[in-house]
Amino acid sequence: DAKTTQPTSMDCAEGRAANLPCNHSTISGNEYVYWYRQIHSQGPQYIIHGLKNNETNEMASLIITEDRKSSTLILPHATLRDTAVYYCIVLLKTSYDKVIFGPGTSLSVIP
Amino acid sequence: GAVVSQHPSRVICKSGTSVKIECRSLDFQATTMFWYRQFPKQSLMLMATSNEGSKATYEQGVEKDKFLINHASLTLSTLTVTSAHPEDSSFYICSARRLALGYNEQFFGPGTRLTVL
Repeated sequence: DAKTTQPTSMDCAEGRAANLPCNHSTISGNEYVYWYRQIHSQGPQYIIHGLKNNETNEMASLIITEDRKSSTLILPHATLRDTAVYYCIVLLKTSYDKVIFGPGTSLSVIP
Repeated sequence: GAVVSQHPSRVICKSGTSVKIECRSLDFQATTMFWYRQFPKQSLMLMATSNEGSKATYEQGVEKDKFLINHASLTLSTLTVTSAHPEDSSFYICSARRLALGYNEQFFGPGTRLTVL
């Protein structure tokens, strides 16, 4: 079972920041928060992951609350090509865990 | 990032025939690959875990005799849908796990769209 809850859908104006929330209240100490996205009819694409510190890469920023029970993925300047389903996943970083997808958040970037 | 390919990208077949889908890790070795299925407007559902040189592990409710998985090398896993029926029409996606610095990285293929007539 997916260990996260996300809003079903969100809209964002093009050029504005998209903030996608995720709740993972049962996360354990050695589990990481991973974010993937899936553009229509394509395979999932890795975005970012983190343990407890905030993380940033060329695609997005990940903000994890101090108690680690929730996080927010931030796309700083959303473009139309960011329209996709975004999946927040809790995952052990060891070799034995597998990626289980929940329903995700369908983000629509609006011109 | 690492590249995972799938072949074919689309396939249409008649009911009762078998279809093979290939998943390749192009620039890394993958001891473990995963197969997912996705129906329209739904999330990805994990079907099975494919381990190089051993039998696949299937998720509950997935028929192992219908979805045959072979992982004969460190860069190739195949999924064969046997005696396909229209209800098997779906988007099939594989992922390959690369162990880097002792931790888990999974890379996904572009998917294969199967249509059974």
